[in-house]
Amino acid sequence: AQSVTQPDIHITVSEGASLELRCNYSYGATPYLFWYVQSPGQGLQLLLKYFSGDTLVQGIKGFEAEFKRSQSSFNLRKPSVHWSDAAEYFCAVGAGAGSYQLTFGKGTKLSVIP
Amino acid sequence: GAVVSQHPSWVICKSGTSVKIECRSLDFQATTMFWYRQFPKQSLMLMATSNEGSKATYEQGVEKDKFLINHASLTLSTLTVTSAHPEDSSFYICSARGGMFSLHFGNGTRLTVT
Repeated sequence: AQSVTQPDIHITVSEGASLELRCNYSYGATPYLFWYVQSPGQGLQLLLKYFSGDTLVQGIKGFEAEFKRSQSSFNLRKPSVHWSDAAEYFCAVGAGAGSYQLTFGKGTKLSVIP
Repeated sequence: GAVVSQHPSWVICKSGTSVKIECRSLDFQATTMFWYRQFPKQSLMLMATSNEGSKATYEQGVEKDKFLINHASLTLSTLTVTSAHPEDSSFYICSARGGMFSLHFGNGTRLTVT
């Protein structure tokens, strides 16, 4: 079975600083990988996803993520964080072609200092 | 873009009563919908997969008689929490399968059982 690990429970960065959120996955084949953002009391918004091809994926709101098969990682990055980026971020893996059942990591809470 | 409407956004009920949560795909047909449960400061746990016109598939450990799922049309799936108890209090989120590996999440329902 697949699994997702987000090692950082809570990260605090200053506004304007760069950001990297870590995500490691476990899955026997090529995974489908996702990053979602959740504001308090809200549903999930898709930031970006990786299926195949270019391992550097661009998403919305200036986010990008890089798939590294050798490290089983899919870290999320943003060069300059805005105060509105404060939220909970979830990495997820979808197993197998056509599988829409996602396994989520425990999430990383991002706080932004003005 | 594709929108999933989840209703109600929050509900308070007394112990022993039943609560129905609706998940609607507003501008697309969703043959498959997923129901997740999220505990405070925790990740999303898949409860069940709902397929239009057939019985839902429940994840291990989820009581199918307690969490009744009905997917009667291509745009509507409902989750009914029967004989609710305080331990059922949680944040419930649905997602709907759209086109080519597209998943759209509702904004969630906060259930509080008193």
